[in-house]
Amino acid sequence: DQQVKQNSPSLSVQEGRISILNCDYTNSMFDYFLWYKKYPAEGPTFLISISSIKDKNEDGRFTVFLNKSAKHLSLHIVPSQPGDSAVYFCAANAYNFNKFYFGSGTKLNVKP
Amino acid sequence: DGGITQSPKYLFRKEGQNVTLSCEQNLNHDAMYWYRQDPGQGLRLIYYSQIVNDFQKGDIAEGYSVSREKKESFPLTVTSAQKNPTAFYLCASNDRGVVNSPLHFGNGTRLTVT
Repeated sequence: DQQVKQNSPSLSVQEGRISILNCDYTNSMFDYFLWYKKYPAEGPTFLISISSIKDKNEDGRFTVFLNKSAKHLSLHIVPSQPGDSAVYFCAANAYNFNKFYFGSGTKLNVKP
Repeated sequence: DGGITQSPKYLFRKEGQNVTLSCEQNLNHDAMYWYRQDPGQGLRLIYYSQIVNDFQKGDIAEGYSVSREKKESFPLTVTSAQKNPTAFYLCASNDRGVVNSPLHFGNGTRLTVT
């Protein structure tokens, strides 16, 4: 039962353009959402998060949007840089849950 | 610098042998987790611990065991009962006393069993 889904296994974007990574969830109890970036053979690095009381959170080039009615969140990277090339995981949690649920990841390739 | 240390980075074992993966954190976090990553898949939870001397099974606990004798340490043993042990193993922690505390991950251990 996959409660968090990333339906695009890969995405290719030109340097300087916008990258949009998408994530859907099914459990309406989730109230905290996160994005992680992962390079090969390394652990995921926390990137940005959003609480369900907000619909947007911005940190430099990274913005996360949350659409609760659609149970959908997205990560925007503007402008995209070659160093952004990595696998991005979205994750979800609820305060009274003991575990985080992860999507299967989207591999982003930013072409110079 | 605070962080999570996993060792070793690469581990090779023969089939039928148990192997223990180390995870140490100096973030003073109460909660620790073990995840497994397989190619093309997300992170799947093996075990987690909210407090010393207590732990719970995650979604894929069969063939694994853990202990939590110290707050800083959460070792994972991959037993010979685990049918497909070759994978990338990730340890994580977070501060359950803080609302919306993200998981912090170590750099992983790649286990290869032949």
